[in-house]
Amino acid sequence: GAVVSQHPSWVICKSGTSVKIECRSLDFQATTMFWYRQFPKQSLMLMATSNEGSKATYEQGVEKDKFLINHASLTLSTLTVTSAHPEDSSFYICSARVLAGDFNEQFFGPGTRLTVL
Amino acid sequence: GQNIDQPTEMTATEGAIVQINCTYQTSGFNGLFWYQQHAGEAPTFLSYNVLDGLEEKGRFSSFLSRSKGYSYLLLKELQMKDSASYLCAVIDSNYQLIWGAGTKLIIKP
Repeated sequence: GAVVSQHPSWVICKSGTSVKIECRSLDFQATTMFWYRQFPKQSLMLMATSNEGSKATYEQGVEKDKFLINHASLTLSTLTVTSAHPEDSSFYICSARVLAGDFNEQFFGPGTRLTVL
Repeated sequence: GQNIDQPTEMTATEGAIVQINCTYQTSGFNGLFWYQQHAGEAPTFLSYNVLDGLEEKGRFSSFLSRSKGYSYLLLKELQMKDSASYLCAVIDSNYQLIWGAGTKLIIKP
């Protein structure tokens, strides 16, 4: 299957700093990328949906000014957690979707573990 | 390399039982998830296994054998709404999620 990578794999930062997470589709072009957050032993919580070249659509309760999403190309989306606080510590997972004809499949990245001190 | 295998597609009949297998080869193991995903929706959590054995939750059960690198998801009394993709994911020793490609389950009346 298609490969989605995330960078960094894990990051530790001080409270108040900003952290950028990259999501790349390595061997295909993704029309849509999704950003999820996962709390331990819980479902992935969809944070936002981004389409290349347009503004991201945020789910209810997700602060768009805190979680900045840029989908600059068909292979790259970035999530920036601004002014991070300890409660932002979580596992952030992206996925990329190919939409070609009737082929509609979503591929997940390995996740980025964020710890805010 | 790290690898998770699960069947691409399965078909079952409404009211029946189906077992979806997942085998994994990862660098370390810190737990295994099963998720259900309906087309166009976010995956929803079904189960988490970290110890060997069977975990039962209503119509769904999940089994894990760490020595065999094997898990299965058992769905009983199948309903049409169970038609979905079922994703197996393992957390490795670096706490990275390794995803299977998913099994598309088709339920027929």
